[in-house]
Amino acid sequence: GQNIDQPTEMTATEGAIVQINCTYQTSGFNGLFWYQQHAGEAPTFLSYNVLDGLEEKGRFSSFLSRSKGYSYLLLKELQMKDSASYLCAVRDSNYQLIWGAGTKLIIKP
Amino acid sequence: GAVVSQHPSWVICKSGTSVKIECRSLDFQATTMFWYRQFPKQSLMLMATSNEGSKATYEQGVEKDKFLINHASLTLSTLTVTSAHPEDSSFYICSATGTGLSGANVLTFGAGSRLTVL
Repeated sequence: GQNIDQPTEMTATEGAIVQINCTYQTSGFNGLFWYQQHAGEAPTFLSYNVLDGLEEKGRFSSFLSRSKGYSYLLLKELQMKDSASYLCAVRDSNYQLIWGAGTKLIIKP
Repeated sequence: GAVVSQHPSWVICKSGTSVKIECRSLDFQATTMFWYRQFPKQSLMLMATSNEGSKATYEQGVEKDKFLINHASLTLSTLTVTSAHPEDSSFYICSATGTGLSGANVLTFGAGSRLTVL
């Protein structure tokens, strides 16, 4: 079966760095996405990785290793507004998006 | 950038009534639209995929006669929850992809519609 694993919840301190991991087992691979979702709102796109390596976009970076079925989202200089759920999603060989359950990130002052 | 407008944002209805949710792509042609449902503290659950001009493809376990999806144009898809019951109360989110997008691989989400059935 297809499976996306990410931690349920993480806590970090304002100004610090946090890494949210995502491991996947899917039928084929056509890209991995990270979305941010604030409570009561729809997800917003953060990053897309299809090749191995690190993609940096401001305070957020995303890493992919296809051979390991592994990705992480790195958030630097954490701000209180970064408190949200972070969803990892993989597009499989049928171009279907398989969603992880999301990681709730709690930022403390 | 690509914008998807979804409304209503909130809807409260009585059990047994039908509710229609609209999803519009404002600045691109949405060849494919996806409808998701999300229960509290859970991830997105894909309900159906609709391509413009053809019947929607429903995920296993989703009743197509209860959740009617229409994608009659390249900019509009609707989800109608028929004979709604309290267990249908959820957060419904549409997303779209299509032509004219700079990031063609990316899904653009509507803001979501929170349905409460009394």
